[in-house]
Amino acid sequence: GQNIDQPTEMTATEGAIVQINCTYQTSGFNGLFWYQQHAGEAPTFLSYNVLDGLEEKGRFSSFLSRSKGYSYLLLKELQMKDSASYLCAVNGGATNKLIFGTGTLLAVQP
Amino acid sequence: EAQVTQNPRYLITVTGKKLTVTCSQNMNHEYMSWYRQDPGLGLRQIYYSMNVEVTDKGDVPEGYKVSRKEKRNFPLILESPSPNQTSLYFCASSPTGYAEAFFGQGTRLTVV
Repeated sequence: GQNIDQPTEMTATEGAIVQINCTYQTSGFNGLFWYQQHAGEAPTFLSYNVLDGLEEKGRFSSFLSRSKGYSYLLLKELQMKDSASYLCAVNGGATNKLIFGTGTLLAVQP
Repeated sequence: EAQVTQNPRYLITVTGKKLTVTCSQNMNHEYMSWYRQDPGLGLRQIYYSMNVEVTDKGDVPEGYKVSRKEKRNFPLILESPSPNQTSLYFCASSPTGYAEAFFGQGTRLTVV
């Protein structure tokens, strides 16, 4: 079957660093996405990884290991506005279906 | 402004009354898709379209229909809505299936 796992909730402190993990099992793979979703709003794109390694974009970085079926999103210098859900999604290959995890709700505390 | 527009934003309807949720994008994207989002289940793909007249089932297509007659529009049709279709619906578009998706603002549907 196809499955994406990520922690349900995490808490971190303003100014700190937090790592949100995502593991996946899919029949195919054409890339992994991270999206941010604030309560009541639409998801917005953060990153896309298709090759192994680290992609850095400002305070956000995303890592992928295809052999391990594993990715993480790293958020540095946390701000209160980073409190949101973070969604991991995989393009499942030949079918081009996009499969989302259930999301990780991050709470940033002062 | 590049955007994906869904209408309506909120809808309350009764069981069995056909409805259509519209979705339009102005970015000339080829790939469009519909999702529903339910607590504890995350975003689940209903249908997607890789181009005009090409549509495919996602993970939860039962009870829904779509059409893609023009590149910019991808309406979601519920022929006979039921209470278990009460959900938050998102339309999204992207240049391809391997690129950043832009989401509409969502449609909160309640079927009573």
